[in-house]
Amino acid sequence: EVQLVQSGAEIKKPGESLKISCKASGYIFTTYFIAWVRQMPDKGLEWLGIIYPGNSDTRYSPSFQGQVTFSADKSTSTAYLHWPSLKASDSAIYYCARPGVPKNYYSGLDVWGQGTTVTVSS
Amino acid sequence: DTVLTQSPGTLSLSPGERATLSCRASQTVSSAFLAWYQQKPGQAPRLLIYDASTRATAIPDRFSGSGSGTDFTLTISRLEPEDFALYYCQQYGASPWTFGQGTKVEIK
Repeated sequence: EVQLVQSGAEIKKPGESLKISCKASGYIFTTYFIAWVRQMPDKGLEWLGIIYPGNSDTRYSPSFQGQVTFSADKSTSTAYLHWPSLKASDSAIYYCARPGVPKNYYSGLDVWGQGTTVTVSS
Repeated sequence: DTVLTQSPGTLSLSPGERATLSCRASQTVSSAFLAWYQQKPGQAPRLLIYDASTRATAIPDRFSGSGSGTDFTLTISRLEPEDFALYYCQQYGASPWTFGQGTKVEIK
């Protein structure tokens, strides 16, 4: 079964760093892009960007460029989303998701992680 | 950025009725690279339709998508109780990918 399993909920203070994970199973991790999507409380969905684990090629939404970093570990089939310095406005649910077509991000996101809730509060 | 505007914001219907959801883009969506998702409270979104009109795996045929250019539609032919949820459109033809603000389908 194709699955993306994300790390658990996090509570952090402003200014702290954070890395959340998304572990893939059931498919060849290096052949599909992984996208990251944010959902702020009771709000819609926002695309942060995408990474290709095969070569770590990344594309960021301009709204999130410089705010977050994507990475991927091929040895553990895990993608990561990293914040060097959190803000209260980063509080949200973060999803990783996989396009339905290998080696291509021109596709709907057909596999989703369960989401990681990040709470940033002093 | 391509802005996607969904209408209506809320659709109040009864089980068995037909639902028609609209998604309008601020510019042409390249190659009809448009998807529809369903989201229920506390759950991740679920892909329903991609490439504007192709049903995703295991999606019932009461869900259909149509449209091209800037105007797209998701139709649910006969609403089942489990279809009452939030629906989002998303374009992936131009970076940054963008989502609509959502349409809530609620029980009348």
